[in-house]
Amino acid sequence: ELKVEQNPLFLSMQEGKNYTIYCNYSTTSDRLYWYRQDPGKSLESLFVLLSNGAVKQEGRLMASLDTKARLSTLHITAAVHDLSATYFCAVDMGRNQGGKLIFGQGTELSVKP
Amino acid sequence: GAVVSQHPSRVICKSGTSVKIECRSLDFQATTMFWYRQFPKKSLMLMATSNEGSKATYEQGVEKDKFLINHASLTLSTLTVTSAHPEDSSFYICSGKQGGTEAFFGQGTRLTVV
Repeated sequence: ELKVEQNPLFLSMQEGKNYTIYCNYSTTSDRLYWYRQDPGKSLESLFVLLSNGAVKQEGRLMASLDTKARLSTLHITAAVHDLSATYFCAVDMGRNQGGKLIFGQGTELSVKP
Repeated sequence: GAVVSQHPSRVICKSGTSVKIECRSLDFQATTMFWYRQFPKKSLMLMATSNEGSKATYEQGVEKDKFLINHASLTLSTLTVTSAHPEDSSFYICSGKQGGTEAFFGQGTRLTVV
């Protein structure tokens, strides 16, 4: 059974600081997604990582994927309050399983002034 | 990205009644639709996967007679919660994808059963 584990689950940061969220998964996959969810809302797609070594950046967020280590990271640079949300990674189970996604537990990020 | 429209966004129903949630892909043909359930402060739990014209594949522990999924066209999938009870109250989210592309998520439906 695939397990997708994020850590930390809760993160309280000060504005201007840097931090990394980790996403470990237990089976082979070469496609991983990062999403943001605001309270009461659905998911907003942040990054699609499609191969080993993939690195993508958008604003203060940067995501990377190491398929050999089964690890993805979401790095936050110089955090601002607007980044406060819950962040999920999701692993694509591949074509044989219909491309379904299995989600991590989520990391609740709170950025304080 | 592509657009998936989910309705209603909120619904309140009485115990014992059924409620239908619609998920439409507006600008692509969703060959596969996924339905998720999310409890407060928790992650998304996959309920079922449906391919257009086929019966849905339910995840272990999900009652297929309670959560009826129909995917009759390439742009519409529905989830019907039958004989709803308060424990069915949750946030339900659909997503659709075309072939091997990225899945796109609907806005979610907050179901409250009273």
